[in-house]
Amino acid sequence: EVQLVESGGGLVQPGGSLRLSCAASGFTFSTYDMHWVRQVTGKGLEWVSTIGYTGDTYYPDSVKGRFTISRENARNSLYLQMNSLRAGDTAVYYCARAYGGTYFDFWGQGTLVTVSS
Amino acid sequence: QLVLTQSPSASASLGASVKLTCTLSSGHSSYAIAWHQQQPAKGPRYLMKLNSDGSHSKGDGIPDRFSGSSSGTERYLTISGLQSEDEADYYCQTWGTAIVVFGGGTKLTVL
Repeated sequence: EVQLVESGGGLVQPGGSLRLSCAASGFTFSTYDMHWVRQVTGKGLEWVSTIGYTGDTYYPDSVKGRFTISRENARNSLYLQMNSLRAGDTAVYYCARAYGGTYFDFWGQGTLVTVSS
Repeated sequence: QLVLTQSPSASASLGASVKLTCTLSSGHSSYAIAWHQQQPAKGPRYLMKLNSDGSHSKGDGIPDRFSGSSSGTERYLTISGLQSEDEADYYCQTWGTAIVVFGGGTKLTVL
């Protein structure tokens, strides 16, 4: 059974940093592209970052230069390092698996990040 | 620019059918999309991938009540025999080179 379990969320002050983790199981992690997606309370889904199975990374302009996605295939783990956090980054962060580098076919349950003083 | 547009809300009666629409931006009529369901206070759940020719492949355990179709830049999700647990937000998603795009979501109310 495919499982994605996020952790590492919490309360952080503006300008601070936080590292999210996503533990994957039930599939060959190293062969899949992986993503982070976030959702502000009451709003829609927003793509945050992608890491291909080859290690290529992609970001939207809203987080480029502040967020870094990485993976550790030996630990079946996905990470999101978030720096220079702003109030607007407050959201639930989901990790998701992409089938063949295209659509998301499995999602985690999310971890809440709150940026506030 | 790759954009997906969804109506903010829809409603239908218990047992009825409803058709949700996701519209691709002009020039992107060949793009496939995916439909995702998000029930209240839960994470998203993959429903199906929908190709431009209307063929679709559903996720594990997705009931036959859920089906997809396509016409030009429109991608549809039809839910028949509506049940109370179908009340949820529905998002379409597509992808390009180094980009992932979500529609704004449609909130479905089951009356």
